[in-house]
Amino acid sequence: EDKVVQSPLSLVVHEGDTVTLNCSYEVTNFRSLLWYKQEKKAPTFLFMLTSSGIEKKSGRLSSILDKKELFSILNITATQTGDSAIYLCAALEGSWGKLQFGAGTQVVVTP
Amino acid sequence: DAGVIQSPRHEVTEMGQEVTLRCKPISGHNSLFWYRQTMMRGLELLIYFNNNVPIDDSGMPEDRFSAKMPNASFSTLKIQPSEPRDSAVYFCASSLFNSNQPQHFGDGTRLSIL
Repeated sequence: EDKVVQSPLSLVVHEGDTVTLNCSYEVTNFRSLLWYKQEKKAPTFLFMLTSSGIEKKSGRLSSILDKKELFSILNITATQTGDSAIYLCAALEGSWGKLQFGAGTQVVVTP
Repeated sequence: DAGVIQSPRHEVTEMGQEVTLRCKPISGHNSLFWYRQTMMRGLELLIYFNNNVPIDDSGMPEDRFSAKMPNASFSTLKIQPSEPRDSAVYFCASSLFNSNQPQHFGDGTRLSIL
């Protein structure tokens, strides 16, 4: 059965800390791994990773994919209170672009 | 640029009533997805369309749920009759099929069945 597992489920950090979020997947016909950030409304797209070992960066956020070990990490450096959100990873599978989501990691950044 | 537009934003109704959720995908996108999000089960894919044709509805929980996409710019998700356990946030997302572009989500409809 296809599955996407995220860890930890939640964490609380202080502003300025670095956070590492984990995502492992077992998905048939895997194409890409996506990360989304969800605050109060819709998940908003962060990264799409298709190739192993190539880090993608956007400001203080970065992510990398390991297709051999079937996992991805999302790093947030110098965290700010605005980083507080649920971070979702999802495996893109098949020909039709179907996304299988993990349960998410809730990140709380305290001042 | 207009994103995915969903309506209504909130819906509160009594059990047994028919509920219709609406979605307008991003112009030019030809894949459309309906998701349901709850605390217990997270984000679940209900059904997805490609070029207005339903491709996989295996995530639809039961016959009370139905979805249509009469044209490229409009889709509906209907629940009839509604039950309290249908209470959730329902998201619509769209993407360009077979591209390297991600799915973009609407702001969702928060549905409460009393």
